[in-house]
Amino acid sequence: DAKTTQPTSMDCAEGRAANLPCNHSTISGNEYVYWYRQIHSQGPQYIIHGLKNNETNEMASLIITEDRKSSTLILPHATLRDTAVYYCIVRVINSGYALNFGKGTSLLVTP
Amino acid sequence: GAGVSQSPSNKVTEKGKDVELRCDPISGHTALYWYRQRLGQGLEFLIYFQGNSAPDKSGLPSDRFSAERTGESVSTLTIQRTQQEDSAVYLCASSPAFLGAREKLFFGSGTQLSVL
Repeated sequence: DAKTTQPTSMDCAEGRAANLPCNHSTISGNEYVYWYRQIHSQGPQYIIHGLKNNETNEMASLIITEDRKSSTLILPHATLRDTAVYYCIVRVINSGYALNFGKGTSLLVTP
Repeated sequence: GAGVSQSPSNKVTEKGKDVELRCDPISGHTALYWYRQRLGQGLEFLIYFQGNSAPDKSGLPSDRFSAERTGESVSTLTIQRTQQEDSAVYLCASSPAFLGAREKLFFGSGTQLSVL
């Protein structure tokens, strides 16, 4: 799997958009970008994934650059409940092997 | 239940004792994963099951750790002769087998293991 780089921590004011970056400059053509988050004392939760087109669901939007070397997870209106560690993972889809979660970005949403 | 269920939620044991941790995946999910998370650390992969077989055991830290899965459902992670460094939250996840969904893992709430 391609290596990913994320900031260690970020802050965001409640109600504002949280933009979480991820660098994956060595990504290969058949690797997808996955995002998970882990709220304190819970197991990780799947958020979204994409290959090259931008994706949106009820939780977030995923913006992938044209060269696919980086992506941004956007939480459009962050709430205090969005405080969590966010993991960006690059993986060949359907490879059947375990995801490597790395260290992620610790997002703190403040009132 | 609708989600992944793990039991017990908390386990306190003495050094040298054996422990068994149980995971009930979502019904119909053929893939099952065990991870370990030490306090303040990231997730550490332990073992992956596809059905009842384990094609990837590469994360098991020592031969004191073993896992089995029966009936393509329940899985048990066993730690023999526990050590203090085994103290962690043990997380189980399952995922569907159909194409495009295998990387959508559903996690349980974990078992907090404390070895005294």
